[in-house]
Amino acid sequence: QKEVEQDPGPLSVPEGAIVSLNCTYSNSAFQYFMWYRQYSRKGPELLMYTYSSGNKEDGRFTAQVDKSSKYISLFIRDSQPSDSATYLCATLRGAQKLVFGQGTRLTINP
Amino acid sequence: DAGVIQSPRHEVTEMGQEVTLRCKPISGHDYLFWYRQTMMRGLELLIYFNNNVPIDDSGMPEDRFSAKMPNASFSTLKIQPSEPRDSAVYFCASSNGGAGRDTQYFGPGTRLTVL
Repeated sequence: QKEVEQDPGPLSVPEGAIVSLNCTYSNSAFQYFMWYRQYSRKGPELLMYTYSSGNKEDGRFTAQVDKSSKYISLFIRDSQPSDSATYLCATLRGAQKLVFGQGTRLTINP
Repeated sequence: DAGVIQSPRHEVTEMGQEVTLRCKPISGHDYLFWYRQTMMRGLELLIYFNNNVPIDDSGMPEDRFSAKMPNASFSTLKIQPSEPRDSAVYFCASSNGGAGRDTQYFGPGTRLTVL
């Protein structure tokens, strides 16, 4: 079993829709959870991170962690074509090692 | 700031050849990471350094892979001999800080194709 599971999609939605991206993880000891965004032919960039359970909001983006179900979510409100990218969830194993999900390819159609 | 710099951006080589990938981290960052990304396996950590010292190389797939960091501003990842299954995008990332939650800044990657 992979430590972090993510549906690779692809996911295609119309502009303005609310997008929900999800991951599950296997180790209840994980405490830090991140979302990276990767545009085509570019390196990943950190979008948001959360610690333990709860929500974190940054503009149109909300990250949510439910430790009881080992579930990580990213919500994008009022989605824009510029949000089209691959979104990778990640968690921290140990002090420095990021473990990534497969990534979900998202397309926002104008 | 120029960000993390990687070279070459693209590399096409034949099986059995030696390949060297290069990385210049962001100035002042004390952690450097090498990742590999494939469709099948996603983004995987290969090795990381702290203050130029390799800390964890458990992700290095085989002895054919080696990495060095001779100084704070340069690192190499070498594959010798290369095989077609090494074809992937290799990313270098750097960060500043002692906690893994500190942002890792990724370079643009080197797209390696081994024929």
